[in-house]
Amino acid sequence: GAVVSQHPSRVICKSGTSVKIECRSLDFQATTMFWYRQFPKQSLMLMATSNEGSKATYEQGVEKDKFLINHASLTLSTLTVTSAHPEDSSFYICSAREQGALTNYGYTFGSGTRLTVV
Amino acid sequence: EDKVVQSPLSLVVHEGDTVTLNCSYEVTNFRSLLWYKQEKKAPTFLFMLTSSGIEKKSGRLSSILDKKELFSILNITATQTGDSAVYLCALSRGSNYKLTFGKGTLLTVNP
Repeated sequence: GAVVSQHPSRVICKSGTSVKIECRSLDFQATTMFWYRQFPKQSLMLMATSNEGSKATYEQGVEKDKFLINHASLTLSTLTVTSAHPEDSSFYICSAREQGALTNYGYTFGSGTRLTVV
Repeated sequence: EDKVVQSPLSLVVHEGDTVTLNCSYEVTNFRSLLWYKQEKKAPTFLFMLTSSGIEKKSGRLSSILDKKELFSILNITATQTGDSAVYLCALSRGSNYKLTFGKGTLLTVNP
């Protein structure tokens, strides 16, 4: 079945540094990638939607200069948290959608990245 | 503004009990409603519902959608401790197939 590999699974970084999170679709072409953030005991909040080869569309309240999204190919999307601060500590999950896919009805989630900023 | 409201927010039951989880919604450009189970990591897909009144079943789990009253229920019969998780309801909408999630129901099944 469709698989999305997300790395790293866990990262601890110092305040002020940048962190890159990668999501790769292993056996399908991810025409659309969704990036979510989940705080403890909260639901998944959509941060942005990206289509391959075009700029990401950010949800209201999400800073595009802080959360840089690149979707340069049909199998790879990256989220870079720039100048991270402790309040950016969260669980970040990607979800890839293949146009016309039947598996999981088109949505395949990565396994998530636990980011801790100290 | 699109809304997905799940109830209850948390539920504690004993093994063998039957539970019903609720999801009501207000969303534009509705495409489908999806249910997920989330344990420690990423959500696991359970069901996708697009048509009213057609029950989807998978083992002890079943779900149905009412597009007139704008809600869905997820039933779990003969619960087991392994069913303990957060159950998320999500709406797929629009041309980009965005998913809007509810806050989830935390289900705890005690032995």
